[in-house]
Amino acid sequence: DADVTQTPRNRITKTGKRIMLECSQTKGHDRMYWYRQDPGLGLRLIYYSFDVKDINKGEISDGYSVSRQAQAKFSLSLESAIPNQTALYFCATSDSLAGGPGTDTQYFGPGTRLTVL
Amino acid sequence: GQNIDQPTEMTATEGAIVQINCTYQTSGFNGLFWYQQHAGEAPTFLSYNVLDGLEEKGRFSSFLSRSKGYSYLLLKELQMKDSASYLCAVRASGGSYIPTFGRGTSLIVHP
Repeated sequence: DADVTQTPRNRITKTGKRIMLECSQTKGHDRMYWYRQDPGLGLRLIYYSFDVKDINKGEISDGYSVSRQAQAKFSLSLESAIPNQTALYFCATSDSLAGGPGTDTQYFGPGTRLTVL
Repeated sequence: GQNIDQPTEMTATEGAIVQINCTYQTSGFNGLFWYQQHAGEAPTFLSYNVLDGLEEKGRFSSFLSRSKGYSYLLLKELQMKDSASYLCAVRASGGSYIPTFGRGTSLIVHP
């Protein structure tokens, strides 16, 4: 079974619709992240959470919101989707307590391909 | 802020060796990661460097020079399945402590 899962895997929606992307993890990690990936632009951080009660904006948070419902669940919402939010969205987790080399190595979910028409 | 630079695309021949470079500028360096990403799939962790020198893991090696703001990923005995994007990510000390990703290098391996 996958350690980091995302639902849905693909979604096509219309401008103005509210969309929620969900992420669940069984790795027991405390830190979770949402990224978007656009061709030629790499991975850009939208929001991150270091604990259930901790939510922080990333590089490109405008137009997005998040909810950390539990240690294992982190959802991303687009309140009113627009076409330039068409992208591949990744959830990731990391373990702040791993220690040693590579602490905070990120583990990514399979991605959600979102198309906003 | 951080500035991370990688070549956009590289091509190489099966069985050969390829070196993918990453240069960075950051205030307070605290580690560099390499990830591999096949088209349409999730990035997966390859290597981590925080001290100068070479880290070897089978066919893949990663090198870091902190004074030069430079890293490379070396892939030996290339296989067709190595065709993927390779992402360099740099972590700065202070702030969120979250790595910033470069735009990635698309490697095409041909027979």
